[in-house]
Amino acid sequence: EDQVTQSPEALRLQEGESSSLNCSYTVSGLRGLFWYRQDPGKGPEFLFTLYSAGEEKEKERLKATLTKKESFLHITAPKPEDSATYLCACGSSNTGKLIFGQGTTLQVKP
Amino acid sequence: GAVVSQHPSWVICKSGTSVKIECRSLDFQATTMFWYRQFPKQSLMLMATSNEGSKATYEQGVEKDKFLINHASLTLSTLTVTSAHPEDSSFYICSALGTSGSYEQYFGPGTRLTVT
Repeated sequence: EDQVTQSPEALRLQEGESSSLNCSYTVSGLRGLFWYRQDPGKGPEFLFTLYSAGEEKEKERLKATLTKKESFLHITAPKPEDSATYLCACGSSNTGKLIFGQGTTLQVKP
Repeated sequence: GAVVSQHPSWVICKSGTSVKIECRSLDFQATTMFWYRQFPKQSLMLMATSNEGSKATYEQGVEKDKFLINHASLTLSTLTVTSAHPEDSSFYICSALGTSGSYEQYFGPGTRLTVT
């Protein structure tokens, strides 16, 4: 069964304290791994798409990496405005849909 | 690019009435759109897949007669919640596929529905 698991559920960091969010997946027919950011009361905002193991993408303080079993979202020197829920999703060719993880809620304190 | 809008952003309705939510792709054509539902502190739950010009495909457990979906054009899909009840209160989010053959979805800002 296709499954996407994110850890930790919640993460509290001090401003400037770098860390990583994990997304483990078991998906047959993977067609991309996607990272989204969701602020409270808003729709998910697209961040990155990764297609193959070894691929990396960066945007400001965020860097996403992909292996055959998991993806990491690295946050370098986070700021309070990086506080949000980060969602990981995998495209499945079996279902033609995105399979979402439960998300990691990040809080960055000044 | 790849902007998706939803209207209204929030709506309050009385039990037994129907509510229509619009989802538009503003700067691209979307042959496929999706409707999700999200409960507090939970992830997104796919309700249905909407393809332009054809009937929507509903996920198991989603009542197709209660959640009517119409995708009449390449830029507009609508979700109508019929005979709404308090348990239908939720955050509804639509998304659109960016390009054909890709699984990359772009999401709207969501609609908060409260049924009293």
